[in-house]
Amino acid sequence: DQQVKQNSPSLSVQEGRISILNCDYTNSMFDYFLWYKKYPAEGPTFLISISSIKDKNEDGRFTVFLNKSAKHLSLHIVPSQPGDSAVYFCAAKSGGGSNYKLTFGKGTLLTVNP
Amino acid sequence: DTGVSQNPRHKITKRGQNVTFRCDPISEHNRLYWYRQTLGQGPEFLTYFQNEAQLEKSRLLSDRFSAERPKGSFSTLEIQRTEQGDSAMYLCASSLSAAAGGTGYTFGSGTRLTVV
Repeated sequence: DQQVKQNSPSLSVQEGRISILNCDYTNSMFDYFLWYKKYPAEGPTFLISISSIKDKNEDGRFTVFLNKSAKHLSLHIVPSQPGDSAVYFCAAKSGGGSNYKLTFGKGTLLTVNP
Repeated sequence: DTGVSQNPRHKITKRGQNVTFRCDPISEHNRLYWYRQTLGQGPEFLTYFQNEAQLEKSRLLSDRFSAERPKGSFSTLEIQRTEQGDSAMYLCASSLSAAAGGTGYTFGSGTRLTVV
């Protein structure tokens, strides 16, 4: 049972345009959401996060939006750069006793074309 | 600090053999995690240590798997009697207390295991 779903395995955008990566979740107990970026042969690297009490968090070119009622979040990258080409994982964690455990989606491969 | 270090980077083994992986976390991090990533999937939680205590093991971690973190420093993950289904990337991560906020973990580069 996939509690975190990334339904687009891949996305291709032109340099300078906006990249939008989507993520849906089913577990209402999730209270923190994170995005990780992964290059080949490297481990995932933390990118940005958002608490469930917020609906937006921004860090430079990266903005994450959270719609709790729809159980949906998205990562916007503006402007996209070729160096952003990587696999992006959406992850979530719940509060309480299991607040150390991340549940990941399957990832979306972003390709930014020059 | 050079981050989370995992060794070896790659391991090819014959089915039925035992393998052991090592993870050296960021020195001040008290929490250490093991995750497994198979092709086309995201990382899946295997186990978690706070200092030297192993506080949770996933159902994915069969009896053939054992993890240790002696003295709360480095950790080892051993797989006994390997099977082809064990082929995956094994990722180690570390963090300070989860209460530090949503900055997540620091992952290592992983150990890619291939069972032939």
